[in-house]
Amino acid sequence: QSVLTQPPSASGTPGQRVTISCSGSSSNIGSNTVNWYQQLPGTAPKLLIYSNNQRPSGVPDRFSGSKSGTSASLAISGLQSEDEAEYYCATWDDSLNGYVFGTGTKVTVL
Amino acid sequence: QVQLQESGPGLVKPSETLSLTCTVSGYSISSGYYWGWIRQPPGKGLEWIGSIYHSGSTYYNPSLKSRVTISVDTSKNQFSLKLSSVTAADTAVYYCARDLRVRALRYFDYWGQGTLVTVSS
Repeated sequence: QSVLTQPPSASGTPGQRVTISCSGSSSNIGSNTVNWYQQLPGTAPKLLIYSNNQRPSGVPDRFSGSKSGTSASLAISGLQSEDEAEYYCATWDDSLNGYVFGTGTKVTVL
Repeated sequence: QVQLQESGPGLVKPSETLSLTCTVSGYSISSGYYWGWIRQPPGKGLEWIGSIYHSGSTYYNPSLKSRVTISVDTSKNQFSLKLSSVTAADTAVYYCARDLRVRALRYFDYWGQGTLVTVSS
């Protein structure tokens, strides 16, 4: 099982704001930057947020990330139907000496 | 634009070795960066397998390290994965990706489309 814990699901209506949490420990989130990946159904993951709160070119500013202590969050404001996807947090773990992914959160647009 | 494409057998027998290759286009592996493999069992989450630098330096997921070998062929702009002694638990979609490691930054910025490998007799 993953060392990064996410809620299995989150949902909202179009236009709403949805927040996804990612809980870790001092050896991973507490001492390294956090990234977020979006995986649309049947496709490869796509980098959404890197270095806690940076968006790669082309990612809408509706997506934002933050980190505090051993937890991180991804917020989606102005939720759209195309945001329906699985979202994964990820970071390096100094104790495991490896890159770890969160358990994943499925976002549903109602 | 950097593009990655996985290739290899879609079916592997139990106890045998899974072999996949990732062909990179739009960027020369020799120019730098790490290059990695990630897998995803059907209906489950992502698991990092390991990564390799263009020079051949590797680092692996400790839970898979005893069975994994990743190599690079800069002349073909490819890198490869070998996973030995496979079982049904190794059935997954396997992705290759560029592994950016710069100072405190570590993330996968370009991904292949993935290839499903099924372990079955």
